[in-house]
Amino acid sequence: SYVLTQPPSVSVAPGKTARITCGGSNIGSYSVHWYQQRPGQAPVLVIYYDSNRPSGIPERFSGSNSGNTATLTISRVEAGDEADYYCQVWDSSSDHRGLFGTGTKVTVL
Amino acid sequence: QLQLQESGPGLVKPSETLSLTCTVSGDSISGSSHYWGWIRQSPGKGLEWIGSIYYSGTTYYNPSLKSRVIISVDTSKNQFSLRLSSVTAADTAVYFCARNYGDYVNWYFDLWGRGTLVTVSS
Repeated sequence: SYVLTQPPSVSVAPGKTARITCGGSNIGSYSVHWYQQRPGQAPVLVIYYDSNRPSGIPERFSGSNSGNTATLTISRVEAGDEADYYCQVWDSSSDHRGLFGTGTKVTVL
Repeated sequence: QLQLQESGPGLVKPSETLSLTCTVSGDSISGSSHYWGWIRQSPGKGLEWIGSIYYSGTTYYNPSLKSRVIISVDTSKNQFSLRLSSVTAADTAVYFCARNYGDYVNWYFDLWGRGTLVTVSS
């Protein structure tokens, strides 16, 4: 079955750039969505269809997807960006199913 | 403003059936073209999609849970529900309901409920 792999953790200093990867076989052929989840809260959509930002999400959040890796980039990182981040695709290779990545904890130093 | 709210027992005994309901306000389940889904998160773990349903009753289920899951919809109450049978401690999780959005079977989850913790224990 299809698997999405993320690094368990990423650390970044305030004002710097965080890059969170989501690896999967030929993931570039999928549409990738990204969620931010702060402790004790529900996930919030931050990027959809690889690189689109929902209304209300800062321009500092951007996404890309090619080959075997999708990337969520957070520019000019702020303390409030500290959270877990999950990628998600819809796998229609056999049964249609939603699939989340393993998740990445972003720590702001 | 669209809101989703999960409700149901917070404690379920092993081998019994977990039942949750998601009430949708600010949008009509039957009047929209969206699917509606359930996602769960075990303590300290990642997100797991359980399944999604259309107002007509068409469903998609996670193959790993399919044999134990039933998702249903009640358009008169603007609610959809989850039933998970034969639960074990591994089913202890926060259960979220969410709206599927976007292209058919290429969805993302744009709006989520706050989630409800269900503990499986005797």
